[in-house]
Amino acid sequence: SQTIHQWPATLVQPVGSPLSLECTVEGTSNPNLYWYRQAAGRGLQLLFYSVGIGQISSEVPQNLSASRPQDRQFILSSKKLLLSDSGFYLCACQTPSNNEQFFGPGTRLTVL
Amino acid sequence: RKEVEQDPGPFNVPEGATVAFNCTYSNSASQSFFWYRQDCRKEPKLLMSVYSSGNEDGRFTAQLNRASQYISLLIRDSKLSDSATYLCVVSSLSNSGYALNFGKGTSLLVTP
Repeated sequence: SQTIHQWPATLVQPVGSPLSLECTVEGTSNPNLYWYRQAAGRGLQLLFYSVGIGQISSEVPQNLSASRPQDRQFILSSKKLLLSDSGFYLCACQTPSNNEQFFGPGTRLTVL
Repeated sequence: RKEVEQDPGPFNVPEGATVAFNCTYSNSASQSFFWYRQDCRKEPKLLMSVYSSGNEDGRFTAQLNRASQYISLLIRDSKLSDSATYLCVVSSLSNSGYALNFGKGTSLLVTP
């Protein structure tokens, strides 16, 4: 079964600073990868998904971007963080054989 | 109308009680259905998939009614460790593969 790693686990950043969150997956090949954000008291919001290396689709307009430089690596970035970017960022993996998604442990981001 | 709607709760039940959660979805073309469990400040974890014929896993029973676009989760003999937020998740085929739509979750607190 797949294992999903995310780091850092927690992050406190000032407004206007850059961001880079990393997600790596083990135990599967050619997964679909997803970035979600869960704000306090709200449901999961899909931010980006990727069906392969270099293939990124954005679900909502925002100041975040994503990249997939390797099959099992997915990166979430921002050039300048906003207060509203605070939240719990979750990377998820979906294997080609089924449509269940499994989540990494998440990164809790606080923008001050 | 939200794609997936759940009663947010909280549901406070004594240990040993039976509790049921309901969920409705708006997309009649939805193909797969899941219940996830999310502990406080942790990532969601897949609890069980929901099949048309209904399925049971130990104390947990999931039901699907496609005609009414309704999903349920029944927990029998509640344990303290069942305290968590339960997320109803509906999957529809999209350009990203199977896109998951998450409900905001139903909070359960099992008390001694």
